[in-house]
Amino acid sequence: DGGITQSPKYLFRKEGQNVTLSCEQNLNHDAMYWYRQDPGQGLRLIYYSQIVNDFQKGDIAEGYSVSREKKESFPLTVTSAQKNPTAFYLCASTAPLYTEAFFGQGTRLTVV
Amino acid sequence: AQSVTQLGSHVSVSEGALVLLRCNYSSSVPPYLFWYVQYPNQGLQLLLKYTTGATLVKGINGFEAEFKKSETSFHLTKPSAHMSDAAEYFCAVSDVAAGNKLTFGGGTRVLVKP
Repeated sequence: DGGITQSPKYLFRKEGQNVTLSCEQNLNHDAMYWYRQDPGQGLRLIYYSQIVNDFQKGDIAEGYSVSREKKESFPLTVTSAQKNPTAFYLCASTAPLYTEAFFGQGTRLTVV
Repeated sequence: AQSVTQLGSHVSVSEGALVLLRCNYSSSVPPYLFWYVQYPNQGLQLLLKYTTGATLVKGINGFEAEFKKSETSFHLTKPSAHMSDAAEYFCAVSDVAAGNKLTFGGGTRVLVKP
């Protein structure tokens, strides 16, 4: 079955550590996105990538980094510079002929 | 810049009653509009979308929404609520010129009372 796989589902980070969230898709979609979700704030765009080896900052990119070395993969690194990383992170993708985004099941990151 | 406003962060309805979730948007170009549903600790699932054509759009699970350009609105309705409709609902607008990236409203959590 085609879809988007995020891993892990739950992730715990100590303060000062970098952590990487995985996002893999087998939908052959060109564009991929990372969103952060906090209660009452909806989803906010962190980074997006429209093609391999290219990506753009979204609305809240500070403290995050991404790479897009393969079409299928768009990992997100939450760095120690992100002062409030506890949140639910969602990865999504879109294809040129489709207007809607397809979402993964999310990763819940907690700082301990 | 595009923006989406959802009126009411929480809505409580009785089972069998009408569900009405309000969404207003701003966009400098003809918008693509979406409603997504999210169950606890899960990703978002598309309920319905408006791109062009008919302004009354039907989606899954008995939901529908009407695009009203004059009111810049895209309200979501369901005639009769079911317990399984308890979830969080997000309205979103797509920036087609920027790779279809979505701008979301703050979400509305629906509680269904028996």
